[in-house]
Amino acid sequence: NAGVTQTPKFQVLKTGQSMTLQCAQDMNHNSMYWYRQDPGMGLRLIYYSASEGTTDKGEVPNGYNVSRLNKREFSLRLESAAPSQTSVYFCAIRPTTGGSPLHFGNGTRLTVT
Amino acid sequence: SQQGEEDPQALSIQEGENATMNCSYKTSINNLQWYRQNSGRGLVHLILIRSNEREKHSGRLRVTLDTSKKSSSLLITASRAADTASYFCATESRDDKIIFGKGTRLHILP
Repeated sequence: NAGVTQTPKFQVLKTGQSMTLQCAQDMNHNSMYWYRQDPGMGLRLIYYSASEGTTDKGEVPNGYNVSRLNKREFSLRLESAAPSQTSVYFCAIRPTTGGSPLHFGNGTRLTVT
Repeated sequence: SQQGEEDPQALSIQEGENATMNCSYKTSINNLQWYRQNSGRGLVHLILIRSNEREKHSGRLRVTLDTSKKSSSLLITASRAADTASYFCATESRDDKIIFGKGTRLHILP
């Protein structure tokens, strides 16, 4: 999806390892979101950043930290990965809050063994 | 728990028929959005309806919103094979969170 780049595309971790998922956008949008998608569960909001310099918890923030490094980048960190964090992680952006739709990246598929 | 809940969870219809999916939510919202997802890829925005709107159209899509019942429906008319996908409703609340439901898997039969 043009505009939102997620890296890596795939990752396998062992329990207890740490890693950072990267999200970068070139659309100059203010708001950025991290979701996880498990089979049959839809998308669940982990953290979001309404604008540069702000971050807020979503539905399932435990076990994750985020950094809004600048307007372009919003990273998601797993400090000590657990098998329950096996999922597909999506980054999404939108121009601003309040009534604009989300534009999604293609996701990072993470497996924790 | 998730804000939006879609119904049915899965739907199979013949090509050319209309498909209707429903979404119910629990708290007050600013707007409700519908998205489509193909084969585990990122979601694609279809249509957004604001809390003061009752109906909206976009091509073969029609969305209704009933805030008194906290429910919305998505109608796809004259379905095509390419409409096979998962469809999600998402609600935006005043704190800027956008919360998704579990989705409806739509399968269009040839």
